[in-house]
Amino acid sequence: NAGVTQTPKFRILKIGQSMTLQCAQDMNHNYMYWYRQDPGMGLKLIYYSVGAGITDKGEVPNGYNVSRSTTEDFPLRLELAAPSQTSVYFCASSYLVSGELFFGEGSRLTVL
Amino acid sequence: AQKVTQAQTEISVVEKEDVTLDCVYETRDTTYYLFWYKQPPSGELVFLIRRNSFDEQNEISGRYSWNFQKSTSSFNFTITASQVVDSAVYFCALSDPRFKAAGNKLTFGGGTRVLVKP
Repeated sequence: NAGVTQTPKFRILKIGQSMTLQCAQDMNHNYMYWYRQDPGMGLKLIYYSVGAGITDKGEVPNGYNVSRSTTEDFPLRLELAAPSQTSVYFCASSYLVSGELFFGEGSRLTVL
Repeated sequence: AQKVTQAQTEISVVEKEDVTLDCVYETRDTTYYLFWYKQPPSGELVFLIRRNSFDEQNEISGRYSWNFQKSTSSFNFTITASQVVDSAVYFCALSDPRFKAAGNKLTFGGGTRVLVKP
């Protein structure tokens, strides 16, 4: 039971570099989300998707982009990394519009 | 705007003590869902419970229990006879009912760190 799989688990970036955080789920969930968790804080929604080809901004979308070409995958792109993007990133999916979110294990990103 | 407040940032107890985590939320909608998640030191997020705003019955699951009071906009969580394995950060979250067609976007509280000492 893979559930939600995120890669990489850890990454260090230099200021101005770009990278993509990968997220895949094998539960055939339509809804997928990206959250970030800053140290000692709760989670904030970056982007979400209600199905293949449909994405929308969450609370903190600046500096990020997403795409959803398939039901399974929901990659998060960081363009021109900044120290403020140092955080732990969680991908999640849900089956029901009001259902529980299933989270990946998180990706810890440090921008130096 | 929606808001979830977990006023207790950290609680320290000795094993076998009970611990109650407070969660107060703000929403204008009458239909919403509330959640509790556990984040152990390993970092993953573990789903504990989902509660519909129309269901005010308290719930018990093993050593865990939840008290939902719509009148005070609170959804408190109690761990009975705490164990060292309960040491974690616990998050309360509220679904965004304005976006029913847009998935279950959750607003999280800041979390309460529970430290259970042996």
